[in-house]
Amino acid sequence: ETGVTQSPTHLIKTRGQQVTLRCSSQSGHNTVSWYQQALGQGPQFIFQYYREEENGRGNFPPRFSGLQFPNYSSELNVNALELDDSALYLCASSEATGVRGYTFGSGTRLTVV
Amino acid sequence: AQKITQTQPGMFVQEKEAVTLDCTYDTSDPSYGLFWYKQPSSGEMIFLIYQGSYDQQNATEGRYSLNFQKARKSANLVISASQLGDSAMYFCAMREGNNAGNMLTFGGGTRLMVKP
Repeated sequence: ETGVTQSPTHLIKTRGQQVTLRCSSQSGHNTVSWYQQALGQGPQFIFQYYREEENGRGNFPPRFSGLQFPNYSSELNVNALELDDSALYLCASSEATGVRGYTFGSGTRLTVV
Repeated sequence: AQKITQTQPGMFVQEKEAVTLDCTYDTSDPSYGLFWYKQPSSGEMIFLIYQGSYDQQNATEGRYSLNFQKARKSANLVISASQLGDSAMYFCAMREGNNAGNMLTFGGGTRLMVKP
């Protein structure tokens, strides 16, 4: 079984630009969550997708948006990038009916200059 | 109020010794799950161990065990026989409710450094 893969691994963007990060979920997992991890901190929940619908959102502004596709892969889009958006963005997949199964990818490190 | 508190920003341990990483949590939900993850410098969050709020026994996974004290709302991670490869950030996390789709709330982490 394949794990969670994220692309790209590193990205540098200019303030005000838009960015799209991608995540392929683990085989058999239909739920995808996105987390933002600023340097030196724990991950913060951005939102979650289940069956192509957003079904939970953390304290992030609307310029953070996402999609989930029929194959359960997902995208995170961030518009009007700000310097504080610089962080490691982690994707995690899980089964909706499972108990323990959160599998994380290695993340995309976004730097906004 | 913080839902997950990890009070040790950094810890040193001698190779082959045991170490305890502290985690306290706050929830009013009777059903919750507690997780520990390891994050090496590569960035990936590696699942270590899980404890459900209704589990009667403390969870164990190889060299990892969870000292679950429900009344005190603590879920400390014990690593036995530390290895150099255990040097990493360690995060305690909680999921409230019994739906695996619910979000995880993470603590601020503890950096463990294993000395040879």
